[in-house]
Amino acid sequence: DAGVIQSPRHEVTEMGQEVTLRCKPISGHDYLFWYRQTMMRGLELLIYFNNNVPIDDSGMPEDRFSAKMPNASFSTLKIQPSEPRDSAVYFCASREDLNTGELFFGEGSRLTVL
Amino acid sequence: QKEVEQNSGPLSVPEGAIASLNCTYSDRVSQSFFWYRQYSGKSPELIMSIYSNGDKEDGRFTAQLNKASQYVSLLIRDSQPSDSATYLCAVSNTNAGKSTFGDGTTLTVKP
Repeated sequence: DAGVIQSPRHEVTEMGQEVTLRCKPISGHDYLFWYRQTMMRGLELLIYFNNNVPIDDSGMPEDRFSAKMPNASFSTLKIQPSEPRDSAVYFCASREDLNTGELFFGEGSRLTVL
Repeated sequence: QKEVEQNSGPLSVPEGAIASLNCTYSDRVSQSFFWYRQYSGKSPELIMSIYSNGDKEDGRFTAQLNKASQYVSLLIRDSQPSDSATYLCAVSNTNAGKSTFGDGTTLTVKP
């Protein structure tokens, strides 16, 4: 398996623009997680899905953030409108099931909002 | 209080020494504990998991868990320069499905 695939790897945009980050989890994994990492706040859980259903979105910072998982092989994280404080590395991770704790991370999407 | 707290670091040890990384957690129902290693500019990768009290050894790495004290640690024996990275402690309540991470401890192993 190719692992968790994220795109784009790097995104530079201007404040107010819409940003869409994409993730393809490992095939057969039931759980998908979106994390954000910054120097100040570390690795924060934004939202996670189980079998394509959002389970906990309490970490989503504002209504400007939304996430979807239309099928088992694809998820998006959207920021609209983007702000400079959204600049961070966004990681997608997947997990096989409830009995296996290991998270497999994608390479991350580094977002810079000017 | 953060859910998962780690030594603020950075931690510097000479090559060949033992590096000791510590983590405490606040949720008593936590059941699964993990150590991830993250090299600069890379994504976290799992190096150890531990589920029951006591020690678990894997090569040069030993994880220790004490649920009564809500404490988990990672020992790296014979530290190598290639061990220089940020080590993230993660805690999971299996029933909830999610993992919560500490802020990480940056380790530097000096040749």
